[in-house]
Amino acid sequence: GAVVSQHPSWVICKSGTSVKIECRSLDFQATTMFWYRQFPKQSLMLMATSNEGSKATYEQGVEKDKFLINHASLTLSTLTVTSAHPEDSSFYICSAWEGRGYTFGSGTRLTVV
Amino acid sequence: QKEVEQNSGPLSVPEGAIASLNCTYSDRGSQSFFWYRQYSGKSPELIMFIYSNGDKEDGRFTAQLNKASQYVSLLIRDSQPSDSATYLCAVPSGNTPLVFGKGTRLSVIA
Repeated sequence: GAVVSQHPSWVICKSGTSVKIECRSLDFQATTMFWYRQFPKQSLMLMATSNEGSKATYEQGVEKDKFLINHASLTLSTLTVTSAHPEDSSFYICSAWEGRGYTFGSGTRLTVV
Repeated sequence: QKEVEQNSGPLSVPEGAIASLNCTYSDRGSQSFFWYRQYSGKSPELIMFIYSNGDKEDGRFTAQLNKASQYVSLLIRDSQPSDSATYLCAVPSGNTPLVFGKGTRLSVIA
């Protein structure tokens, strides 16, 4: 089936630093990539939608200057958490439509210390 | 605000029994409905999707949809300990690709 490869799987960073998360669609072209965040025991919440070659659309309450999204090609989308703080610690997951359903990356566990 | 509601559980069933997971949604215009399974610390994986009223079967899984009641369910027959996970109901709504419920935690007891 269609695969979205997400890296890194986990990352620990110091407060104030930036972290980049990559998602690649391996066997299909992802015109649109969706970025979710999931806090412990909570559901997935959509953060933003990225479209290849254009600016991302952010959900209400998500700071676009803090969560930078780039979708430079049909197979690669990146999310950069800038000036990370402990409250940004969460599970970040990307997703794309692959024709039958939405397929998800394996997720990135971000811990900011 | 479009909503998807699920009982958080935990739902405990003995091995071999039928597990019944329920979900209601608020957007009457929703046309497709997805069930995902999420193991702890992992990302969701698609189990089934359903578009039409009635039942859809895939192996041990059956999805049931009742659009009039805005209700969708997932039945797992012959439950196995490996089915223990959180099951997420998800519904596309408006411009949002998927609105997720909070999930129901299922525990299958051997």
